[in-house]
Amino acid sequence: NAGVMQNPRHLVRRRGQEARLRCSPMKGHSHVYWYRQLPEEGLKFMVYLQKENIIDESGMPKERFSAEFPKEGPSILRIQQVVRGDSAAYFCASSPRGGGVSYGYTFGSGTRLTVV
Amino acid sequence: AQRVTQPEKLLSVFKGAPVELKCNYSYSGSPELFWYVQYSRQRLQLLLRHISRESIKGFTADLNKGETSFHLKKPFAQEEDSAMYYCALGDSNYQLIWGAGTKLIIKP
Repeated sequence: NAGVMQNPRHLVRRRGQEARLRCSPMKGHSHVYWYRQLPEEGLKFMVYLQKENIIDESGMPKERFSAEFPKEGPSILRIQQVVRGDSAAYFCASSPRGGGVSYGYTFGSGTRLTVV
Repeated sequence: AQRVTQPEKLLSVFKGAPVELKCNYSYSGSPELFWYVQYSRQRLQLLLRHISRESIKGFTADLNKGETSFHLKKPFAQEEDSAMYYCALGDSNYQLIWGAGTKLIIKP
């Protein structure tokens, strides 16, 4: 089992471009969580998805950010018209069912986005 | 407001010395607390959770509700303990609130 796979590991985008971050959960996991870590800060919750459903997107900025987890394929976090403040590490975690907190998430290696 | 504070960005101790990584929290309900660790070039992984009262790799953490703390301790540090350590608070059954992390360096 390859675990939670995130790609790319590093992504450089110019201001105004789009960034697409992918997350393939562990086999058998149908719940995905995205977190963002700004420099010198802890991780901040962004969104919780199940297959074809957004359960909680309360941590997502209202504009430019969107997330999906289709029936087939990885979860995608999409950032349109990136700005320098979007530079951060984006982590994805998965769990086999809801309530992932109680028994610990399985994390991916993260995607480090740099906006130049 | 819900918050997790790790007051030390960096902690450096000698091999064999005791280690204590501090974590304080602010939470209105009954807290569920965790320690996660990230070794160099590896993924974040769960180290321990207060609810299971286990000891992993010699580390323990006790929830002190009076002091709202969940400090991580190990009596004798080893070089392989060098890593980033994050304290986290369960804010729902799926959401975690994280501290900023403490970088632990074990000197030989």
